[in-house]
Amino acid sequence: GESVGLHLPTLSVQEGDNSIINCAYSNSASDYFIWYKQESGKGPQFIIDIRSNMDKRQGQRVTVLLNKTVKHLSLQIAATQPGDSAVYFCASTDSWGKLQFGAGTQVVVTP
Amino acid sequence: DAGVIQSPRHEVTEMGQEVTLRCKPISGHDYLFWYRQTMMRGLELLIYFNNNVPIDDSGMPEDRFSAKMPNASFSTLKIQPSEPRDSAVYFCASSLTADYEQYFGPGTRLTVT
Repeated sequence: GESVGLHLPTLSVQEGDNSIINCAYSNSASDYFIWYKQESGKGPQFIIDIRSNMDKRQGQRVTVLLNKTVKHLSLQIAATQPGDSAVYFCASTDSWGKLQFGAGTQVVVTP
Repeated sequence: DAGVIQSPRHEVTEMGQEVTLRCKPISGHDYLFWYRQTMMRGLELLIYFNNNVPIDDSGMPEDRFSAKMPNASFSTLKIQPSEPRDSAVYFCASSLTADYEQYFGPGTRLTVT
């Protein structure tokens, strides 16, 4: 039969606009969350992380928001640039403390 | 530190051959992880080590896959015999603890024909 690959959700953003990438996690006991960026042909690269005792953390042009009530994580990128085009993964710890990765979101920055 | 080092970067082999992938973690990191990434299944954890000891190998697909960590600065992932469905990008990552930032290597792109 025909093979079907993962269909990554795609976020198309105009250069200079803000991006918001969303992620849902399933384990209410997760206490550590992390966002990775993966450019084509490269390994995932750390962007920002957050512990469960926080609901917001800011980095350079990026902000991570954590809503434990609805088990939702988001990554905001301010003033999106062409170099931000990549696949973005969220990850959260499982019951044994290991990171579990989501499927990823493809971000495409248009001029 | 040079980061996580993986070799080779690309490997093309024929079905039935043995393949060995290598990884050097970041010095001082006690945890080492092997992942496989494919279009079909995304990023999958195969196995991880703590202080050179395998902790969880539940992600290893089958007995054809084996991993070792003879010392704190070196790990191998071996596939014997290789099959076309093993074609993927294999990443090694290391971290200070299991629930902390993992640093990924550049990956090995394996093609089995």
